[in-house]
Amino acid sequence: GNSVTQMEGPVTLSEEAFLTINCTYTATGYPSLFWYVQYPGEGLQLLLKATKADDKGSNKGFEATYRKETTSFHLEKGSVQVSDSAVYFCALSKNGGSQGNLIFGKGTKLSVKP
Amino acid sequence: GAGVSQSPRYKVAKRGQDVALRCDPISGHVSLFWYQQALGQGPEFLTYFQNEAQLDKSGLPSDRFFAERPEGSVSTLKIQRTQQEDSAVYLCASSLEIGPLTTLYFGEGSWLTVV
Repeated sequence: GNSVTQMEGPVTLSEEAFLTINCTYTATGYPSLFWYVQYPGEGLQLLLKATKADDKGSNKGFEATYRKETTSFHLEKGSVQVSDSAVYFCALSKNGGSQGNLIFGKGTKLSVKP
Repeated sequence: GAGVSQSPRYKVAKRGQDVALRCDPISGHVSLFWYQQALGQGPEFLTYFQNEAQLDKSGLPSDRFFAERPEGSVSTLKIQRTQQEDSAVYLCASSLEIGPLTTLYFGEGSWLTVV
C-alpha cells in the first residue's frame, strides 16, 4: 500500500546550518508529494508540493525535488533560522482516494539554536 | 473567521462517555477532512466530505465513530463509548479546490484524552 517514511528526529541544528530531512515513499502510480509544517501552537500548513517526477517545490528557502527513481522527496534548506523550529511532515496524495486525502509520515521535529 | 476553527481545543472524557468535536471550516471551502493524530505519529485520514456528502469514510476506525456535515459547512465528529485508544488529536482540514493537488488548511486540533 501507499506509505511515507521520513527520518526520525529530533534534529537539532545551529542557526545558518544546512538542513536535510529525508523522505521516501511507496505508492502505486504517480502520487503528488507534499511537505507540511507545524509551528509551535499552530495548525499544520502547507510548505511546498510537487506533482510529477523532477518537479521542484520551493517556499521560504526550503526546497524538495520529486525523485521517482529513488522514490524520494527530501527537504532541504541552505541556512536555517531559529524561526524554522517546527515539526515537518512529508505526505503524499492517495491515488484513487478522496480528492486531497493525504498519507503522512510520522513527522520530524527540528530545533534550531541561536 | 480567517482559518479553520475547532472546538473544544481540549477534552477529557471518561471511558464510555460520548464526545462531539466541532469543526468550522473556512467559509466557502467545499472539501472537509477529519484526521486522527496519535502522540508521536503523523495524521491519519478518517473521513472526507464534499459539501454535505460524505464521500469517503474508509478511515473511521470503528462504528463508534460518526461524522456529519448536514449543511455543507460546519462538521461534527462524534465518538461514542470512548475508549483509551481514542486518545489523540483530532484535526479538521478544509480546502477550496477539489482534486489531488488541493492545499489543505488545518485547524489547531481537538486534543482528546480518555481516562
